[in-house]
Amino acid sequence: QLQLQESGPGLVKPSETLSLTCSVSGGSISSGSYHWGWIRQPPGKGLEWIGNIYYSGTAYYKPSLKSGVTISVDTSKNQFSLKLSSVTAADTAVYYCARLRFSMRTFDYWGQGTLVAVSS
Amino acid sequence: QSALTQPASVSGSPGQSITISCTGTSSDVGGYNYVSWYQLHPGKAPKLMIYEVSNRPSGVSTRFSGSKSGNTASLAISGLQAEDEADYYCSSSTNINTVVFGGGTRLTVL
Repeated sequence: QLQLQESGPGLVKPSETLSLTCSVSGGSISSGSYHWGWIRQPPGKGLEWIGNIYYSGTAYYKPSLKSGVTISVDTSKNQFSLKLSSVTAADTAVYYCARLRFSMRTFDYWGQGTLVAVSS
Repeated sequence: QSALTQPASVSGSPGQSITISCTGTSSDVGGYNYVSWYQLHPGKAPKLMIYEVSNRPSGVSTRFSGSKSGNTASLAISGLQAEDEADYYCSSSTNINTVVFGGGTRLTVL
């Protein structure tokens, strides 16, 4: 059974960089059928897609976030990561990592999510 | 890239049926059969309920069904059960290879 687990600091200061890692177990991140994505949910708000990455490194980002977001993949560790620079309070959210079944454009496995608060 | 439009809340009694709508544009919902629906319970990992408009993953109850007409997709739940009470989100692929979610709908089982 595929499992995804987010990890990283729960508190980040304004203007700093938010960094999260998603560890994948029970399957290979190098499988050609899948992309690996990040989604967030601010408190009291809806889900927001951030971006996806393929194991080769090809990435797609939400246009309005693109300038401050980097998603990377480490196939040797079976992990992928999210970096969001110059964060503000508006970036406070539960961050989820998920597997995107690309041929169906659907997120079929999700992590439990991790809350990241942006505050001084 | 605007969020897809969902009703903020719906409710129904046990055993009844409800429908949740998800309205987009021809650049997302209307243009592709890549609509998915997710169920969110507090503190749990989101669960995929429907993909490609109307397909159910293995293990998802047949009480859940999906459809689409034009720019609007719908999730129907029949025979409502207490465990169905959750937040539901639709998503769609877009014409620029991105993903857009709906604003979410809270289902209350009365």
